[in-house]
Amino acid sequence: GQQVMQIPQYQHVQEGEDFTTYCNSSTTLSNIQWYKQRPGGHPVFLIQLVKSGEVKKQKRLTFQFGEAKKNSSLHITATQTTDVGTYFCAGPRSSGSRLTFGEGTQLTVNP
Amino acid sequence: EAEVAQSPRYKITEKSQAVAFWCDPISGHATLYWYRQILGQGPELLVQFQDESVVDDSQLPKDRFSAERLKGVDSTLKIQPAELGDSAMYLCASSFLPGLAGGRETQYFGPGTRLLVL
Repeated sequence: GQQVMQIPQYQHVQEGEDFTTYCNSSTTLSNIQWYKQRPGGHPVFLIQLVKSGEVKKQKRLTFQFGEAKKNSSLHITATQTTDVGTYFCAGPRSSGSRLTFGEGTQLTVNP
Repeated sequence: EAEVAQSPRYKITEKSQAVAFWCDPISGHATLYWYRQILGQGPELLVQFQDESVVDDSQLPKDRFSAERLKGVDSTLKIQPAELGDSAMYLCASSFLPGLAGGRETQYFGPGTRLLVL
């Protein structure tokens, strides 16, 4: 079945450093979504990418969808302590609408 | 801002006991999802409702788990009997678009119920 893999599992950075998490799917995705979960919190929707090669920005966050629509990345420029949390990518299963979440990348930012 | 409501927020139970979780989605959201999230992992869908109908329960352990959304609004997830391995966060989410829209719908998650089975 479809799998969505994320790397790295953990990332520790100093405040001000950049951060990138990568998401790879075993199958082509019609779209990909990114969610952020703060420690002790629940997932919160960040963005959705639909088009091949699409790039979207939200302030210091840059999201990319691969040309083959099998991979995606989230890049944070100049991390802040408020960026702490786990970032999940999620893609729909090929057979329908159910979202398959990746394992997440847990980001820690040292002040 | 409208939010998904869940209760209780925390539940401690002994194995073999029954537990129930409640979810009230954002008003007007036809699609409701129940997820289980084990610590350190991503959410895993247990069941998806479109209004009062189940559209996907392929990952629901039906021998012990049940879910209902009788009037197509709020929903209850039940576990009977609970097992040690059921300890996890149970998240409810809802979306406005029909759940079959190619997975493009934005899902809004509630705060979750953290279950500990002793």
